[in-house]
Amino acid sequence: GNSVTQMEGPVTLSEEAFLTINCTYTATGYPSLFWYVQYPGEGLQLLLKATKADDKGSNKGFEATYRKETTSFHLEKGSVQVSDSAVYFCALSDYTGANSKLTFGKGITLSVRP
Amino acid sequence: EAGVAQSPRYKIIEKRQSVAFWCNPISGHATLYWYQQILGQGPKLLIQFQNNGVVDDSQLPKDRFSAERLKGVDSTLKIQPAKLEDSAVYLCASAPRGGGETGELFFGEGSRLTVL
Repeated sequence: GNSVTQMEGPVTLSEEAFLTINCTYTATGYPSLFWYVQYPGEGLQLLLKATKADDKGSNKGFEATYRKETTSFHLEKGSVQVSDSAVYFCALSDYTGANSKLTFGKGITLSVRP
Repeated sequence: EAGVAQSPRYKIIEKRQSVAFWCNPISGHATLYWYQQILGQGPKLLIQFQNNGVVDDSQLPKDRFSAERLKGVDSTLKIQPAKLEDSAVYLCASAPRGGGETGELFFGEGSRLTVL
């Protein structure tokens, strides 16, 4: 079945540091890939998405590229801020047009120090 | 546009008691999901509805969990009797029929359950 593997956390960085959070997946077909973020006390929010190979999703300075050859969707940001402290989830959608659902990774907690 | 509404936000019960959670999806979204998020883990799908029919409930512990979506709009998830391991955040999500263009889901803020 489908699965998503995220790197182990937590991750602690200083403000303005470079961020990479690794995500790899196993899926049949051609899933869409997502990064969701959960800020303290809030619900899951979509951060960015990519729907086909070589697509790059971007939002709020974050980027991730859909790499079919390495089955990866790593999240990057060039300069993190304290406000980026949150839990980040990689997910895939086995979208078939009639029965779409998300499979999530375990999530990773990012803490950014001032 | 109003988002996915869930209630209650927090609930504390003792084991063997029952609890119910309510979800109202985004207007017009035909697909509704209930996910369970245990601390330190990613959300796990419990049940998926398309309108008022069940599409996938393969991971729903049916001996204690039940869910319904009468009239194809709002939904209720019930746990009876609750166990300690049911302590989690219960997330409701919705999507246009079939997941729309990309399969993106829209989540509510969740209902946090603590079983003592």
